[in-house]
Amino acid sequence: KNEVEQSPQNLTAQEGEFITINCSYSVGISALHWLQQHPGGGIVSLFMLSSGKKKHGRLIATINIQEKHSSLHITASHPRDSAVYICAVRSVYGGSQGNLIFGKGTKLSVKP
Amino acid sequence: SQTIHQWPATLVQPVGSPLSLECTVEGTSNPNLYWYRQAAGRGLQLLFYSVGIGQISSEVPQNLSASRPQDRQFILSSKKLLLSDSGFYLCAWSGGFPFGANVLTFGAGSRLTVL
Repeated sequence: KNEVEQSPQNLTAQEGEFITINCSYSVGISALHWLQQHPGGGIVSLFMLSSGKKKHGRLIATINIQEKHSSLHITASHPRDSAVYICAVRSVYGGSQGNLIFGKGTKLSVKP
Repeated sequence: SQTIHQWPATLVQPVGSPLSLECTVEGTSNPNLYWYRQAAGRGLQLLFYSVGIGQISSEVPQNLSASRPQDRQFILSSKKLLLSDSGFYLCAWSGGFPFGANVLTFGAGSRLTVL
């Protein structure tokens, strides 16, 4: 079983829809990152969370440390939001210093 | 502001040829540097990380090596490429002064095709 699981794997939405992407993890963490990878391959860091909720524009990220779960929400989705969204956690237990454990990503396609 | 440069963006190499991918970082000092590989349809796999000049840790036994000759330079190399080395390679940095571990920045990536 992967230490970081994302759902769904693929998601197709109509423009304007509210979108939720989920991330569950099984290790103790010090932080969780949400990343966005566009078709060209470049990765952009959207959020870094250790508790609570963060909002940036139409993007909202939440984390529940007790339940080991995080969600990324996109309000009023737009075709330019089409990308792969990746959840990554920074484990507190050993492993590579500063290493992140990555989910396999959720491929989002927003249709006009 | 901090930036990260990674090159080349795309390359096609024959099996058995050498490889050199380079990554440089600006705007921070003493960052942690990482090389990741992303195979088609799979998640990011950590290949190497470095916490300082000349300090390299390898995560996965493979045909590749990494070097950090300067504080903000990270190089991924191979003496003889294999077909299985094909993939998308990403350099990243985190930590460093004055940002701390919260910052995570990726390069634009290098797409390698070995024929």
